[in-house]
Order: sequence, then structure tokens, then C-alpha cells
Amino acid sequence: KAGVTQTPRYLIKTRGQQVTLSCSPISGHRSVSWYQQTPGQGLQFLFEYFSETQRNKGNFPGRFSGRQFSNSRSEMNVSTLELGDSALYLCASSPQTGTGHEQFFGPGTRLTVL
Amino acid sequence: AQTVTQSQPEMSVQEAETVTLSCTYDTSESDYYLFWYKQPPSRQMILVIRQEAYKQQNATENRFSVNFQKAAKSFSLKISDSQLGDAAMYFCAYRSAGDKIIFGKGTRLHILP
Repeated sequence: KAGVTQTPRYLIKTRGQQVTLSCSPISGHRSVSWYQQTPGQGLQFLFEYFSETQRNKGNFPGRFSGRQFSNSRSEMNVSTLELGDSALYLCASSPQTGTGHEQFFGPGTRLTVL
Repeated sequence: AQTVTQSQPEMSVQEAETVTLSCTYDTSESDYYLFWYKQPPSRQMILVIRQEAYKQQNATENRFSVNFQKAAKSFSLKISDSQLGDAAMYFCAYRSAGDKIIFGKGTRLHILP
């Protein structure tokens, strides 16, 4: 079974621009979560989608948004980029939503904001 | 609010030795899961081990085991017979029912040959 894939792997943008990141979960997985990883803050939860519905949301400004499609693929969008948005964005999928389910992570998208 | 604390930013261990990574958490919930995830350099994060709060028996996965002390809100990871492939960033994580997962800031583990 193919793993979680994320595109693009690397991205360079300038302040004020917007960006869309894509995540394809493992086939059959219906839950997709997004995380921001930075050296200073570690891994921070952005949001979780299950069956096209947002189930949980982290403490990020409204510039961060996401969605999930009927095939479980997910996208996240960041508008009006700031320098502090430079990070590794990780996507993770699991078969179901729920407390104890293992999350399978993708390789991440490295976003650099200049 | 729930928090997860990993007090050791970096640790080193000699190959074949045993090492313990610390994790404490704060919660008022009684039903939750705890996890250890491993992120090798330039590789994807994978689950090492998980523990349900209601289970008193400590989880074990081959060379990896946990010491779960619910009253003390402590969840340490013990790696026995350390191998070079164990070198990675290790994240402790907490999740309660219906809520988001919270990660600690990680412990970078070096294996010395």
C-alpha cells in the first residue's frame, strides 16, 4: 500500500503570498490531520478532517484553512504568508478518527517564506 | 489545558546500552491515549508505541517499553539494546477522547558507536 504523499515537497514563497499544500492519505484512510513543525515550537496541530468535515482545530489564525475532498485527499491553504510561517508542514492519515488510532505521517512540505 | 513536557532536549547512549526518555503531561481527563513517535533524520515520523490510560499494564514493542505512571502523569520510553537505527527525534504525545493530539517538543537521541 502506498504511504501518505504530500506535494510539493519544497516551496519558496514571499511574504503576503498565499500557498496551497496537498496531502493524499493512505488508501482507505478517512481521517487526515495537519501539523506545523518548527524548531522553536515543535509539532503543533493545525486541524483534522474526517469524511470532509473538520473535526478539530488547533490554535492558529484564520489565515490557515483546510478542506477534505470526497476521496479523502486534503489541502491546506495559508493566505497572506508571514516569515513565521516558514516550517515543515506534515500531514498524517488514519483509518478512522478517534483517540487511539495510529497516525501515518507523510514526508512533509518544507515551506520557506522570504 | 493539556500539556506535554519532554525535559531532555538531547540525549546520547552507547550502542547496545539502555536509555530512558522522559515525558510528563498534565490533564484532568481520565480517558486518553499516550504515544511515542519517532522521527529519523530526513525520514517520516512513525509510531513507536502507544498506551491507553485505562490499561495498567505497560505497553511493550520488542526493544521498546514504557513506564506509565498515571497518578504521577509520567510516560517514559525505555529503549533496550540501543541500535544505530534508533537515532532520531522522539516525540511524546497525548490525546483525549474527541480532542486534538498534543505533542511534546521532542528529545533528540544520539547513538554512539
